[in-house]
Amino acid sequence: GAGVSQSPSNKVTEKGKDVELRCDPISGHTALYWYRQSLGQGLEFLIYFQGNSAPDKSGLPSDRFSAERTGGSVSTLTIQRTQQEDSAVYLCASSLDRLSYEQYFGPGTRLTVT
Amino acid sequence: AQKITQTQPGMFVQEKEAVTLDCTYDTSDPSYGLFWYKQPSSGEMIFLIYQGSYDQQNATEGRYSLNFQKARKSANLVISASQLGDSAMYFCAMREENRDDKIIFGKGTRLHILP
Repeated sequence: GAGVSQSPSNKVTEKGKDVELRCDPISGHTALYWYRQSLGQGLEFLIYFQGNSAPDKSGLPSDRFSAERTGGSVSTLTIQRTQQEDSAVYLCASSLDRLSYEQYFGPGTRLTVT
Repeated sequence: AQKITQTQPGMFVQEKEAVTLDCTYDTSDPSYGLFWYKQPSSGEMIFLIYQGSYDQQNATEGRYSLNFQKARKSANLVISASQLGDSAMYFCAMREENRDDKIIFGKGTRLHILP
């Protein structure tokens, strides 16, 4: 079946602009995760959804970052007033539920803020 | 303090040899899970293996095994009979189940398999 998809695959934006990143999880997966990976670094946990609710938003780097998930499916990560330090690959993953240990990752969105 | 520590930023191993990638973790949560992921140069993250904190036996998946030493808080990944396609970044990660399932990743180890 279809895997996790993310769009856009690449995004170049000017500093100060808002961007919206989209994640489409595997159908039926109730848990959804967002991560950020800066060049040559490990993954930084941003936020996790179980269904439409996010029990832990503490990973979001600043109040410029927000995420939502509607209908228990698609999620969007919004970054307002982008800064150069926001440049990274943003990865989304989904799993069957919060107890499932296997996460399936999407290909990521490479964000470049100029 | 770092929750996940991978002390080997890079490793070079001869093809067909076994390789051990180190991972230590820090948690006071009695219920947690440990993961290993592979990230080839293409960028995708590939799940390799999982170990639950209450699992009595070490997890194995094909050529991958997890050497779980709970008292030492160690969860090393062992790859047997390494292949050229094993060259990639490897990340150790932990999920603390009493902390809203937040998953913390280590900084990774870049493994190079030499022909």
